[in-house]
Amino acid sequence: GQNIDQPTEMTATEGAIVQINCTYQTSGFNGLFWYQQHAGEAPTFLSYNVLDGLEEKGRFSSFLSRSKGYSYLLLKELQMKDSASYLCAFYNQGGKLIFGQGTELSVKP
Amino acid sequence: DTGVSQDPRHKITKRGQNVTFRCDPISEHNRLYWYRQTLGQGPEFLTYFQNEAQLEKSRLLSDRFSAERPKGSFSTLEIQRTEQGDSAMYLCASSPTDGSAQGYTFGSGTRLTVV
Repeated sequence: GQNIDQPTEMTATEGAIVQINCTYQTSGFNGLFWYQQHAGEAPTFLSYNVLDGLEEKGRFSSFLSRSKGYSYLLLKELQMKDSASYLCAFYNQGGKLIFGQGTELSVKP
Repeated sequence: DTGVSQDPRHKITKRGQNVTFRCDPISEHNRLYWYRQTLGQGPEFLTYFQNEAQLEKSRLLSDRFSAERPKGSFSTLEIQRTEQGDSAMYLCASSPTDGSAQGYTFGSGTRLTVV
């Protein structure tokens, strides 16, 4: 079967660093996405990892370990506007995305 | 190109009515996907098309749901005899011909409320 798991919610302080973890199981894997979603809006693309290692993009970084079925999203220098849901999704051989339930991040002053 | 467009953005309907949503993908993308998202959950795959061919349908898609992409461009998703449980955000996405993850793009979604 296939499944994907991430924490339901996290809280962090403005200016801090937060790491959101994601674990997955699947027989067909073609990469892993992270999306940000504000309430009532569509998901917006943050990162895509297909090879093991760390991808850095400004304040956001994403890591993938295919052998461990594990990824994380690292957000640095947190801002209030980073309060949102963060969705982890793997891209399977059928071409569709299988999403986790999302991690609701609250950034507090 | 302005990205993936969905219409309408919001729809309120009475239980038992039929509704139809439209998605216009990025013009050079041959793959088109429909997802459904309920409150507090991640999007769930419903169905996808390669050009006009519907290649896969989720078991989540009951007989009341039908999707078409008649000319391989825009797609419609129809829900017949709507139920309150159909209330959700319906998301459309498109991707390039080879199904590459690069360029996988979501529309803004249609929020359906069944009263």
